[in-house]
Amino acid sequence: EIVLTQSPGTLSLSPGERATLSCRASQSVSSSYLAWYQQKPGQAPRLLIHGASSRATGISDRFSGSGSGTDFTLTISRLEPEDFAVYYCQQFSTSPGTFGQGTKVEIK
Amino acid sequence: QVQLVESGGGVVQPGRSLRLSCAASGFTFSKYGMDWVRQAPGKGLEWVAVILYDGSNKYYADSVKGRFTISRDNSKNTLYLQMNSLRAEDTAVYYCAKGRGGGSYNALDYWGQGTLVTVSS
Repeated sequence: EIVLTQSPGTLSLSPGERATLSCRASQSVSSSYLAWYQQKPGQAPRLLIHGASSRATGISDRFSGSGSGTDFTLTISRLEPEDFAVYYCQQFSTSPGTFGQGTKVEIK
Repeated sequence: QVQLVESGGGVVQPGRSLRLSCAASGFTFSKYGMDWVRQAPGKGLEWVAVILYDGSNKYYADSVKGRFTISRDNSKNTLYLQMNSLRAEDTAVYYCAKGRGGGSYNALDYWGQGTLVTVSS
């Protein structure tokens, strides 16, 4: 099973700042099979990024994904109030698919 | 628009069974792989199972293998999760989610609102 480790656990930032979230895999993951999700309290997750760097339909260009192999990054260029949430990476390169433990982006 | 509506959750005793359903609409259900993902209270997401577009292949998390069965009825646009031998650690909100493609290796682009399963005596 591929273990995904997200860091930091919590990111405290102000609106307008840049957020950089990391997702590290225990073994190599094909970029095609790495996704990022956003989840707000009481809501279902929402797909942000698929294929490591492709934005999902309707997702703001403030969100970008990058990386390959074992190291992947989600960047939010300028935080808006609605961006404060928990973010998860997911790999489905090998079964079982696995999620990272999440990074909470909170208002400083 | 795509809609996924889960049902069947509730309180169940350890060792008992429960079947979840997910009614899909707004897309051609028979063309897409479908997943179940769960989230224990206050915890992160855990992938549970996936089924290919035609039901020909299914994959499970180790934590549920041999106890849970994913299935689908493409004539009814409905996804199922049969959960047997339930344990306290199966307590979670269960989400059904649509894959971006027909296979098992897909990001999940639409999610239901979730249904809560509580395993307790």
